[in-house]
This record gives sequence, structure tokens and C-alpha cells, in this order.
Amino acid sequence: EAGVAQSPRYKIIEKRQSVAFWCNPISGHATLYWYQQILGQGPKLLIQFQNNGVVDDSQLPKDRFSAERLKGVDSTLKIQPAKLEDSAVYLCASSSTPLLAGGKETQYFGPGTRLLVL
Amino acid sequence: ELKVEQNPLFLSMQEGKNYTIYCNYSTTSDRLYWYRQDPGKSLESLFVLLSNGAVKQEGRLMASLDTKARLSTLHITAAVHDLSATYFCAVDIRPYFGNEKLTFGTGTRLTIIP
Repeated sequence: EAGVAQSPRYKIIEKRQSVAFWCNPISGHATLYWYQQILGQGPKLLIQFQNNGVVDDSQLPKDRFSAERLKGVDSTLKIQPAKLEDSAVYLCASSSTPLLAGGKETQYFGPGTRLLVL
Repeated sequence: ELKVEQNPLFLSMQEGKNYTIYCNYSTTSDRLYWYRQDPGKSLESLFVLLSNGAVKQEGRLMASLDTKARLSTLHITAAVHDLSATYFCAVDIRPYFGNEKLTFGTGTRLTIIP
């Protein structure tokens, strides 16, 4: 079974530029998450999709971050304009049946995109 | 606001020794997860603990959950070099039936010395 795919793996941009990240979840996984992991910290949830609808985006800085999940499969996360403090690893994760509904899996994480803003 | 704290933040231990990583959280929850992250890699799920008193073991790692104390432990038995990684706990406080929302701890960077 293929895992969560993300691209690009690395990105270097200057502040005020725009950047977009792409995620392809595990086939059949209805729920998709984007996390931001700053160096030395744990991941922080930015946005959660259930199919193509947003479940939670309370921690997404909406003035500069946006995300979409068209057709309930792939997702893109965009930053415009980028700030120095956006330098981090952006992780995408997916999960299938909710645990409380009898599902057994937890969230599966992709390899991440390392963003450096200069 | 939910706070999830791990200690120690850094742990250097010799092969063959036993040690415990602690995860404290500030809000009632009975769902806790442990993940492993190798340098430059993504997160790998280790354990899912879904009730008070839950205990799970895999190889040299054993995790437990005490929801009354809001504490989870990850115990390492007879450490080997392959266990060197950063370990995260994550707490789910989703108040309703549905997908989990995880708040991660600060991480414990574990280094096993030969």
C-alpha cells in the first residue's frame, strides 16, 4: 500500500513570495490533515478535511494560508505572502475510519515538505 | 488551551538500560497516541491508548495511560541503538464522536549510546 505522498520535499523562497505544497493521501482515506512542525517542536494542526469539506481550520492563519481539497482526494496548501516565521516542515497526514467508529488506524504521515524562508 | 508536556526533553542513555518518558496533559482526555520520528523523517505511529489503564507493548517499548492523573508513560526496556529517535505523545480532545484532533507534546529526543 502506497503511503502519503508530498511534494516538493524541499523549498527555499524569499519572504513575501508565494509557495504551494501538494499532498496525495493514502487511497481511500477520507480525512486529510496539514500540520506545521517548527524545528524542535511537535507538529501543530493547521487544517483538517473530511472528504472535500473543512472540519477544523481554527489554527490556520487565514490571512496568508489557504488550503483546498478538490474532489476529496489530493490537497494543496498555499502560503501567500510568506514570512520568515513560516520556515518549518509541513506535514500531511491521512486517516480512514474514525477510531471511535471502530477504525483501527491512526493518522499516517507523509515525508513532509521542508520550507525555508529567507 | 490544552497543554501537552513531555519530560525529559533530551535523554541520553546507555544500551541495555531502562528508562521512562513522561507525558502530562492539562485537559481531560482518554485518548493518547505515541509517535516516533527519526531525523529528517516523518512520524511513525507507535501506540494508540484509548482508555484509562490502557497498556500496550511492542518489543522493548511499553506505553500506559492514566487518565485520572492525565499522564502517559513510554517505558524503554534494555535500550538498543535502533531506538534512538524523537518520541512524541499526542492527546485527542475532540469533544464529539468523530475524527481525532491531536495536540502534540514537545517531543523527547532519545539518544542511545553504545
